[in-house]
Amino acid sequence: GENVEQHPSTLSVQEGDSAVIKCTYSDSASNYFPWYKQELGKRPQLIIDIRSNVGEKKDQRIAVTLNKTAKHFSLHITETQPEDSAVYFCAATGDYKLSFGAGTTVTVRA
Amino acid sequence: EAQVTQNPRYLITVTGKKLTVTCSQNMNHEYMSWYRQDPGLGLRQIYYSMNVEVTDKGDVPEGYKVSRKEKRNFPLILESPSPNQTSLYFCASSSSGTGGHTEAFFGQGTRLTVV
Repeated sequence: GENVEQHPSTLSVQEGDSAVIKCTYSDSASNYFPWYKQELGKRPQLIIDIRSNVGEKKDQRIAVTLNKTAKHFSLHITETQPEDSAVYFCAATGDYKLSFGAGTTVTVRA
Repeated sequence: EAQVTQNPRYLITVTGKKLTVTCSQNMNHEYMSWYRQDPGLGLRQIYYSMNVEVTDKGDVPEGYKVSRKEKRNFPLILESPSPNQTSLYFCASSSSGTGGHTEAFFGQGTRLTVV
């Protein structure tokens, strides 16, 4: 089955700086890679996703890159703001199982 | 409004007392799944279902049962709960047709404590 590893587990950044979270996956058949944001006490919600036929996708201050050969994908948040503080999860599909990474707790320092 | 509804939100129970957590979605999604969230371990999949009467084990299925008799409902059953099943549980649904997966929508979560 799919195994997703996520790094780092915690990330502290100064407001205005960039944050990068990296994930690797094991199943070369995986074709969908979403990122979820979970604010304290709330449910995870999709912030951006990418499919295997695309190398990069951007939505305002967030972007995701995918390297199929190396089987890794990354989330980039630019110009971080206090409301970006949350837990971020990467995920990948394989065999219909949506497998998640262990999460990254991002703290944006004012 | 598109949504996934879980009940109850909070539950405290005793070891061995059977319980069911319900999950219902109104988006006609084929794919539904259950996750448990524990500190430092992320979201671990318990069971998933690709459609009515089609279910399969996730990564941590021991001690849990599910059923999918209707497309909209996917209850999680703990026949004999134990303290190590104390956790935050999420139900999720998504479309998973020939185009592949789409966004997964999560329920509000159920915080279960087994004493």
